[in-house]
Amino acid sequence: GAVVSQHPSRVICKSGTSVKIECRSLDFQATTMFWYRQFPKQSLMLMATSNEGSKATYEQGVEKDKFLINHASLTLSTLTVTSAHPEDSSFYICSALGTAGNTIYFGEGSWLTVV
Amino acid sequence: DAKTTQPNSMESNEEEPVHLPCNHSTISGTDYIHWYRQLPSQGPEYVIHGLTSNVNNRMASLAIAEDRKSSTLILHRATLRDAAVYYCILRDVIVEGNTPLVFGKGTRLSVIA
Repeated sequence: GAVVSQHPSRVICKSGTSVKIECRSLDFQATTMFWYRQFPKQSLMLMATSNEGSKATYEQGVEKDKFLINHASLTLSTLTVTSAHPEDSSFYICSALGTAGNTIYFGEGSWLTVV
Repeated sequence: DAKTTQPNSMESNEEEPVHLPCNHSTISGTDYIHWYRQLPSQGPEYVIHGLTSNVNNRMASLAIAEDRKSSTLILHRATLRDAAVYYCILRDVIVEGNTPLVFGKGTRLSVIA
């Protein structure tokens, strides 16, 4: 089946720095990718929808200047957490819409710890 | 997307069948029923989806009520590796393809050896 890969799987950064998380569709082209955030013991919360070649659409309450999303190719979307703070520590998950149009595939997730 | 209601948690013995219920009384005619599961510290994994008819695949079966207001995910023989949070999600197929999955709280399944 379709595979979505995220990198890095775990990252620790200092408060005030920026960190980039990559999301790749390995064996299919994804015009649309989605980014989620998940805090411990909670469900996934949709952050934004990323469309190839256009600006991302952010959910209400998600700061677009803090969570920069770039979807420059049909197989890669990136999420950059800028000026990270400890409260940004979370599990970030991306997903991509498969070419069949009805199944969404998820990456393995990326743990971000801001110290 | 229409909302779904699932029990917070369920428990099963290993190698026994598990029936995970989902209520979706406000489902529309164009909503597909999707099931995903999330193992600890991993991204969600696709399990199965259907529209009206019951569906089977190598992972599970999906039984959909005739009025489509509820569905049941069936794991035929639970193993310890099936311990996860199971999410029942509705997704409208008529809406343009870039509609995301919206997750509820899901059902946390525990499997006892």
